[in-house]
Amino acid sequence: DAGVIQSPRHEVTEMGQEVTLRCKPISGHDYLFWYRQTMMRGLELLIYFNNNVPIDDSGMPEDRFSAKMPNASFSTLKIQPSEPRDSAVYFCATGQGNGELFFGEGSRLTVL
Amino acid sequence: EDKVVQSPLSLVVHEGDTVTLNCSYEVTNFRSLLWYKQEKKAPTFLFMLTSSGIEKKSGRLSSILDKKELFSILNITATQTGDSAVYLCAVEVYNNNDMRFGAGTRLTVKP
Repeated sequence: DAGVIQSPRHEVTEMGQEVTLRCKPISGHDYLFWYRQTMMRGLELLIYFNNNVPIDDSGMPEDRFSAKMPNASFSTLKIQPSEPRDSAVYFCATGQGNGELFFGEGSRLTVL
Repeated sequence: EDKVVQSPLSLVVHEGDTVTLNCSYEVTNFRSLLWYKQEKKAPTFLFMLTSSGIEKKSGRLSSILDKKELFSILNITATQTGDSAVYLCAVEVYNNNDMRFGAGTRLTVKP
């Protein structure tokens, strides 16, 4: 398996634009997590899914953020409209519910 | 509110030194505590601890959990420059499989 695959690896956009980040989980992993990492706040859990169903989205900062998992092999995190304070590295991580997570390489977002 | 607190936030040592990284937590329905190493990119798994007093060991790294005092330590002996990374502690809770991370400890090992 190629591991957790995220795209894009880097995105630079202007304030107000829509941003869509994508994640392909490891096959067979039932849990998918979206995290945001900044120097100031560290790794923050945004939302996670179990069997494609959102379980806890209490970490989603505000209505501008939304996440979907239409099937077991794909998830998106969307920010609309984006703001400079959304600049961060966004990680997707997946697991089998036994604690261990496998992280993608992250999507570095810069909002100007 | 669940909390995971790591200390120190950063640490600079020389090769050959031994370091101890700390992680304390306050969560309801604790299930497990995990340590990850993050170099330039994605965090990678090191250990998972569920029981008090049982040391997990992998080479020069070892970790132990104290569920009574609600903390864990990660020890690295005979440090090498390749150990330079951010070490993240995460706590998993029952009922929702949520996983909360601490802010991390940035370890720099100088030659």
